[in-house]
Amino acid sequence: AQSVTQPDIHITVSEGASLELRCNYSYGATPYLFWYVQSPGQGLQLLLKYFSGDTLVQGIKGFEAEFKRSQSSFNLRKPSVHWSDAAEYFCAVGAGIKAAGNKLTFGGGTRVLVKP
Amino acid sequence: GAGVSQSPSNKVTEKGKDVELRCDPISGHTALYWYRQSLGQGLEFLIYFQGNSAPDKSGLPSDRFSAERTGGSVSTLTIQRTQQEDSAVYLCASSLGLGGYETQYFGPGTRLLVL
Repeated sequence: AQSVTQPDIHITVSEGASLELRCNYSYGATPYLFWYVQSPGQGLQLLLKYFSGDTLVQGIKGFEAEFKRSQSSFNLRKPSVHWSDAAEYFCAVGAGIKAAGNKLTFGGGTRVLVKP
Repeated sequence: GAGVSQSPSNKVTEKGKDVELRCDPISGHTALYWYRQSLGQGLEFLIYFQGNSAPDKSGLPSDRFSAERTGGSVSTLTIQRTQQEDSAVYLCASSLGLGGYETQYFGPGTRLLVL
């Protein structure tokens, strides 16, 4: 069964500092990997996704993530954090099997607080 | 264009009552998913629709939970005889239904509180 682990429940970062959120997955085949962000009271918004090709993926809002198969990781990074980046971030892996749909398995989330 | 919409946005009910939660997917999206977000369990998959069929219901936690989709569009998630542990945010997502790599677009959710 697929699983996703986000080791950090909370991260506090100063505005303008860099941010890295960790994600480790367990999946038998090539995974479809996603990062979503959830602002307070909002639904989930896709930041970026990976399913093949270049292992460094660029997303919206200045985020990027790197797929490392050897480490079963898909860490999310941003060089310079803005106050508006305060939110909860979810890493997810998709089954990717059309017949059974692409149900997502989510990690527990990392809540990011931004200090002025 | 219009995104995924859900109604109601908030629902308070008494233990033992039935509730219906509605999801309007993005027009043209044939795949529709329900997820539940709760403090204890995080974000978990409930059910997947392709068109009006539900090939994967593996996430429904009990037979009190059911869902249907009509006309390949609107979906309703019904919880019968609600329990306090059903309190959660219920999220709906839709996608084109063409492949596993595609983006799922999420609605704002319905926050359910069972007293």
